[in-house]
Amino acid sequence: GIQVEQSPPDLILQEGANSTLRCNFSDSVNNLQWFHQNPWGQLINLFYIPSGTKQNGRLSATTVATERYSLLYISSSQTTDSGVYFCAVSRYDYKLSFGAGTTVTVRA
Amino acid sequence: DTEVTQTPKHLVMGMTNKKSLKCEQHMGHRAMYWYKQKAKKPPELMFVYSYEKLSINESVPSRFSPECPNSSLLNLHLHALQPEDSALYLCASSQVGTPETQYFGPGTRLLVL
Repeated sequence: GIQVEQSPPDLILQEGANSTLRCNFSDSVNNLQWFHQNPWGQLINLFYIPSGTKQNGRLSATTVATERYSLLYISSSQTTDSGVYFCAVSRYDYKLSFGAGTTVTVRA
Repeated sequence: DTEVTQTPKHLVMGMTNKKSLKCEQHMGHRAMYWYKQKAKKPPELMFVYSYEKLSINESVPSRFSPECPNSSLLNLHLHALQPEDSALYLCASSQVGTPETQYFGPGTRLLVL
């Protein structure tokens, strides 16, 4: 299966700071999603981004498919951004392979 | 409306009990999924249904029995579970075809005593 590596594993931010999360994957993919899992366990879709760049408010993502990585940018972080961020990929099937996640803690 | 609902939110069961988890979506999606997530780990795929037929079973033990009675509903029947089956069980749905965005429900937290 496709290997997905996320870095860093943990990130502690002061409110208002900016950060970058990285996702590397081992093979070409046609599906890449970023999720935020809140402390209650809900997985929230952030981006569907197998290639290119997208922005949604304070969040943006870039995937460079030819180099097999994706970046998630969080700007002006807020305490509600705390949680685990997962990158998940698939290649022409239904099986999403998840990375281990980045745990983000935003302190007030 | 991009909402997947799951009931119950929490479930405690003994190893001899039989219980069911329910998942519902009204987005017209024809692919539905069950995932299992242990604490501090990513979700792991268990089953995929496409057009109400089981298309993927990730070698899940038979004490977990999925059912898709119609295009909006997905059940997971539980019987004779073990304490190590305690986890967050997540349901997801998507359009049929790859690639398609998967949308997740809030999950059921299961504790097996």
